Amino acid sequence: GAVVSQHPSRVICKSGTSVKIECRSLDFQATTMFWYRQFPKKSLMLMATSNEGSKATYEQGVEKDKFLINHASLTLSTLTVTSAHPEDSSFYICSARDPTGSQETQYFGPGTRLLVL
Amino acid sequence: KQEVTQIPAALSVPEGENLVLNCSFTDSAIYNLQWFRQDPGKGLTSLLLIQSSQREQTSGRLNASLDKSSGRSTLYIAASQPGDSATYLCAVRPKGTYKYIFGTGTRLKVLA
Repeated sequence: GAVVSQHPSRVICKSGTSVKIECRSLDFQATTMFWYRQFPKKSLMLMATSNEGSKATYEQGVEKDKFLINHASLTLSTLTVTSAHPEDSSFYICSARDPTGSQETQYFGPGTRLLVL
Repeated sequence: KQEVTQIPAALSVPEGENLVLNCSFTDSAIYNLQWFRQDPGKGLTSLLLIQSSQREQTSGRLNASLDKSSGRSTLYIAASQPGDSATYLCAVRPKGTYKYIFGTGTRLKVLA
């Protein structure tokens, strides 16, 4: 079964509003989570690394004031798209790192499709 | 800067064919490489993970190889089926990080 969930699975919002996407690790504590973005028929691009209890690390070109990341607990990271515009419409996928075991594993969430009108 | 490229970008084959998907990466300093499947509008399904010390991994009809020194990996799909139709993504995890760098993907269509 799924070990990483995302909520909502899809969201439609009006331009100018803010949208929050949740990423939860269900069976393990994830000290590190990652947020990716995927444009239609394109590959995944890493946006930021979310560390529990500290500030997120953003990839070059990603606006940290636009994409707010909060990793307040070991099982939850949130991505808030502030003042959304139509060009923010995309598929957002998170992954969570499970550091336990002999070979640490990352699990990917099912994704959230955002449409900004 | 690590870059990951997949060839071909799209592939259409008749059912039953054996096929090879290619992935190349520019920096051989990787911790592991992973192949994923993505169905339209869906998330990622991990298919095979190869550690940097390994040469190949097998799961059912899938076999993935890794040649780290030349920066290449291949995904071999035997006896393809229409249910194999999807986009296949390879991703490398650079040494010293936990993040993945994804390839451009190969869209596979297996015709019945």
